Amino acid sequence: EAGVAQSPRYKIIEKRQSVAFWCNPISGHATLYWYQQILGQGPKLLIQFQNNGVVDDSQLPKDRFSAERLKGVDSTLKIQPAKLEDSAVYLCASSFGASGNTIYFGEGSWLTVV
Amino acid sequence: SQQGEEDPQALSIQEGENATMNCSYKTSINNLQWYRQNSGRGLVHLILIRSNEREKHSGRLRVTLDTSKKSSSLLITASRAADTASYFCAMHGSGNTGKLIFGQGTTLQVKP
Repeated sequence: EAGVAQSPRYKIIEKRQSVAFWCNPISGHATLYWYQQILGQGPKLLIQFQNNGVVDDSQLPKDRFSAERLKGVDSTLKIQPAKLEDSAVYLCASSFGASGNTIYFGEGSWLTVV
Repeated sequence: SQQGEEDPQALSIQEGENATMNCSYKTSINNLQWYRQNSGRGLVHLILIRSNEREKHSGRLRVTLDTSKKSSSLLITASRAADTASYFCAMHGSGNTGKLIFGQGTTLQVKP
């Protein structure tokens, strides 16, 4: 079974530039998550989708971050404009359902803002 | 917040020894999950324990859950150098729609 796919794996941008990350969840998984993990910390949930609807985006900095999941499959997370403090790993994850199901993570997209 | 707190933050042991990591949380949960993260990699799911379970085993892993104390522990027996990684507990709150909240993690180093 193919896992959660993410790209790009690594990205270096200057502050105030924009960046986009792409995620393809495990086939058949209705729930998709984006987490931000700053070095040395645990992952923090940015946004959760159920099919193509947003379930939770309470910790998404909406002035600069946006995410969409068109057609309820792939998802894109965008940052514009980037700040130095956005340097982190952006982890995409998916699960078959909501609470109670195992959540599977991709390898992450490493962002460095200089 | 129902974010977990993990203890210890860092643990260094010799190969063959057992490693125990603890996780405490604040509110009621549906289940608790443990993940491993090798340096520079994504999170790998290890084990899920539901709120009505007290103990689960998977290979060299043993997880316990005490809902009265709002705590869980992960025991790795007969550790190997390949177990060197960061370990995170993550909580699914009861009644929510699947939001998984992570602790800060325990960094385990197993010396050969």
